[in-house]
Amino acid sequence: DAKTTQPPSMDCAEGRAANLPCNHSTISGNEYVYWYRQIHSQGPQYIIHGLKNNETNEMASLIITEDRKSSTLILPHATLRDTAVYYCIVRVKPPSNTGKLIFGQGTTLQVKP
Amino acid sequence: EPEVTQTPSHQVTQMGQEVILRCVPISNHLYFYWYRQILGQKVEFLVSFYNNEISEKSEIFDDQFSVERPDGSNFTLKIRSTKLEDSAMYFCASSALPGTGSGDTEAFFGQGTRLTVV
Repeated sequence: DAKTTQPPSMDCAEGRAANLPCNHSTISGNEYVYWYRQIHSQGPQYIIHGLKNNETNEMASLIITEDRKSSTLILPHATLRDTAVYYCIVRVKPPSNTGKLIFGQGTTLQVKP
Repeated sequence: EPEVTQTPSHQVTQMGQEVILRCVPISNHLYFYWYRQILGQKVEFLVSFYNNEISEKSEIFDDQFSVERPDGSNFTLKIRSTKLEDSAMYFCASSALPGTGSGDTEAFFGQGTRLTVV
């Protein structure tokens, strides 16, 4: 599985957009970019994933660069409840692999009032 | 919204005792996983399970660990003889088969079982 690089921590003002970057320069053509978050030792929560096109759902938007070597997760209007550790993970979808997720240290996002 | 359920939420056990952690995955999911997170550290993959067998396991998942899907709903992790270093949060996760339209292949996690070995 390709490795990812994320800043260890970021701050964001409540109500503003939070832009979380991720580098995955060794990503393979069949690997997807997934984002999860973990709020205070709860179970990781799926946010969004994409292959090459930008994606949006009710939680966030995912912007993937054209060369797919980096991506940005955007939380459009961050709230205090978005304070969490955010993980960027790249992996092949099952059944091409077992579907395991390899978590790094992630980015700790602190949303401040 | 369907969810992965784990029991108990907290288990305290004496070193050397056997523990069984239980999980009820989302009903139409076919891939099952266990992860653990030692306090202050990152989430670590333990094992994946598909079609009634282990499909992959990490170096952490040694002979002291086993998994089972004893019936159509439960997925269990057994630690035969617990050590102090097994103290951690254990997360169960499940995901659907691609193309089933059931939320694609993202994994859904339970809230975890905090295992404390004393």
